[in-house]
Amino acid sequence: GQQVMQIPQYQHVQEGEDFTTYCNSSTTLSNIQWYKQRPGGHPVFLIQLVKSGEVKKQKRLTFQFGEAKKNSSLHITATQTTDVGTYFCAVPLENSGGSNYKLTFGKGTLLTMNP
Amino acid sequence: KAGVTQTPRYLIKTRGQQVTLSCSPISGHRSVSWYQQTPGQGLQFLFEYFSETQRNKGNFPGRFSGRQFSNSRSEMNVSTLELGDSALYLCASSSMGTVSTDTQYFGPGTRLTVL
Repeated sequence: GQQVMQIPQYQHVQEGEDFTTYCNSSTTLSNIQWYKQRPGGHPVFLIQLVKSGEVKKQKRLTFQFGEAKKNSSLHITATQTTDVGTYFCAVPLENSGGSNYKLTFGKGTLLTMNP
Repeated sequence: KAGVTQTPRYLIKTRGQQVTLSCSPISGHRSVSWYQQTPGQGLQFLFEYFSETQRNKGNFPGRFSGRQFSNSRSEMNVSTLELGDSALYLCASSSMGTVSTDTQYFGPGTRLTVL
């Protein structure tokens, strides 16, 4: 069935290093969203990608949507302690029965850093 | 605008009991979705309400139910609690009512512990 895979599950970096998380779908997506959840917090929307091959930047964060609209990546340049948290991709997948779409979250990538 | 609020923030129950969680969406938002978050399963979609109607439902047993009131406030109920129901329950609201494309604004969550 339809699913979304997110890798890696964990990533530990030294402050200043780069970080990338990937999201892969078995089906073509209409769009993809990215969220960030700080430790002890709740998911917060970062961005939505809609177009094939789309690239969007938010300061040190770069988001890409694959040409085939089946994968996406989030890249952080020169990580800072404020980047610590779990990054989730979220995609609309058909719900059981195929009549509705539900927003399905990847398992997330936990970014940790030495203090 | 005030954000999404959820009450209570923490709950401790014993197996077999039932629980009701409450969510107040952002003013003007008519769509409310509920998610269960656990370390093992990640963020899983429970159901979504729009204008007092359940529009979408995830793959959870019938012990999980919800409703939405005319002011868009929503409640979810879990009956006959099981140990595996221990989780963070997150409520999210959106403005346009299209869950697959709308930005989801999450509340702080209710941490439920079942003993």
